[in-house]
Amino acid sequence: GIQVEQSPPDLILQEGANSTLRCNFSDSVNNLQWFHQNPWGQLINLFYIPSGTKQNGRLSATTVATERYSLLYISSSQTTDSGVYFCAVGQNSGNTPLVFGKGTRLSVIA
Amino acid sequence: GAVVSQHPSRVICKSGTSVKIECRSLDFQATTMFWYRQFPKKSLMLMATSNEGSKATYEQGVEKDKFLINHASLTLSTLTVTSAHPEDSSFYICSARDLTDTQYFGPGTRLTVL
Repeated sequence: GIQVEQSPPDLILQEGANSTLRCNFSDSVNNLQWFHQNPWGQLINLFYIPSGTKQNGRLSATTVATERYSLLYISSSQTTDSGVYFCAVGQNSGNTPLVFGKGTRLSVIA
Repeated sequence: GAVVSQHPSRVICKSGTSVKIECRSLDFQATTMFWYRQFPKKSLMLMATSNEGSKATYEQGVEKDKFLINHASLTLSTLTVTSAHPEDSSFYICSARDLTDTQYFGPGTRLTVL
């Protein structure tokens, strides 16, 4: 099956710093989503981005489907950004579930 | 955005009892829902794909008689952990996909089996 690798596995940032999280995948996909899992376990949808670039406030994401990677940018990080960021990909649609990477654990310190 | 709810959010039960977890898509219909399991500090592991009106498709290594899934309507799927044991303690998360192919997740259910 498709493999999803995220890097770095852990990241510690000073409040206000910027960061880039990376997601590599082993095969072509037609669904890619970024999630933030908060300390209570809730998965928050950040982006649905199988290709192209999107921005939402301090977050933006870019997926280069032909090169099989996606990047999540966090600018001016805040302590509330702490948590685990997951990249998940899907092939085809309908019944095909998302396959998750192992996540990047982000800690933003004041 | 679409909302998926789960109930209960937390349950503690004795070994040998059965526990039912409900997953609902509140503002959209979902012919397909998914059940995941997450261990502490680990990623999400797909357990099964739940199809409305038909049998669920289980991932390799997941016991279908242990984890009963019923998808009775376009907005409701249930996961029943039968004869629960301490090793079944985990965080269970459901998700549903809307017509745009975006997958939304419920808030999860933390199961503790004593």
